[in-house]
Amino acid sequence: TQLLEQSPQFLSIQEGENLTVYCNSSSVFSSLQWYRQEPGEGPVLLVTVVTGGEVKKLKRLTFQFGDARKDSSLHITAAQPGDTGLYLCAGSTNDYKLSFGAGTTVTVRA
Amino acid sequence: GAGVSQSPRYKVAKRGQDVALRCDPISGHVSLFWYQQALGQGPEFLTYFQNEAQLDKSGLPSDRFFAERPEGSVSTLKIQRTQQEDSAVYLCASSLGPGTSGTDTQYFGPGTRLTVL
Repeated sequence: TQLLEQSPQFLSIQEGENLTVYCNSSSVFSSLQWYRQEPGEGPVLLVTVVTGGEVKKLKRLTFQFGDARKDSSLHITAAQPGDTGLYLCAGSTNDYKLSFGAGTTVTVRA
Repeated sequence: GAGVSQSPRYKVAKRGQDVALRCDPISGHVSLFWYQQALGQGPEFLTYFQNEAQLDKSGLPSDRFFAERPEGSVSTLKIQRTQQEDSAVYLCASSLGPGTSGTDTQYFGPGTRLTVL
């Protein structure tokens, strides 16, 4: 059972369009992380957010942590084919254990 | 190499066979984690080591699953009497610190894809 619900499950967009992926839970997390995973590889950390309301920007990616630390979103501006992959959110309620969502598969068509 | 490595990358086992999956973490990393990722799902926590001590094995699905890290570096995940429901990708991750900050970066290996026939 996964504590974090991600939506949508699949997203296919044209190059240059914007997209948003959501991560929701009824649990409060001390920190939340976003990963990207490509086929045949392990997840790679994109960002960690720890403060309610926090917004972090990483080039064309914008991450937001909800005020109540129960939800998060990932927004990609002007998506490129290289952004294609499985995006996973993961929350921590204690020191080390991460609870992952099921992921959102993003496909950016050239 | 500089990253986490896992072997074998692919393993096919007949139901009932025992398998052993190896993880070589980044040198010097204190913490080591095993996750199970079923098809179309996110990784699920299996177990956590701090150096050679297994501090949490709450995610292991059954007593057929056993993990060890005897010298605080390489770790092995063993599955006895494999069942079809064990088919999944098994991911290993390591992090530099003991995990007490809650924000230590976990570096993942490429995983071992286990298929049980």
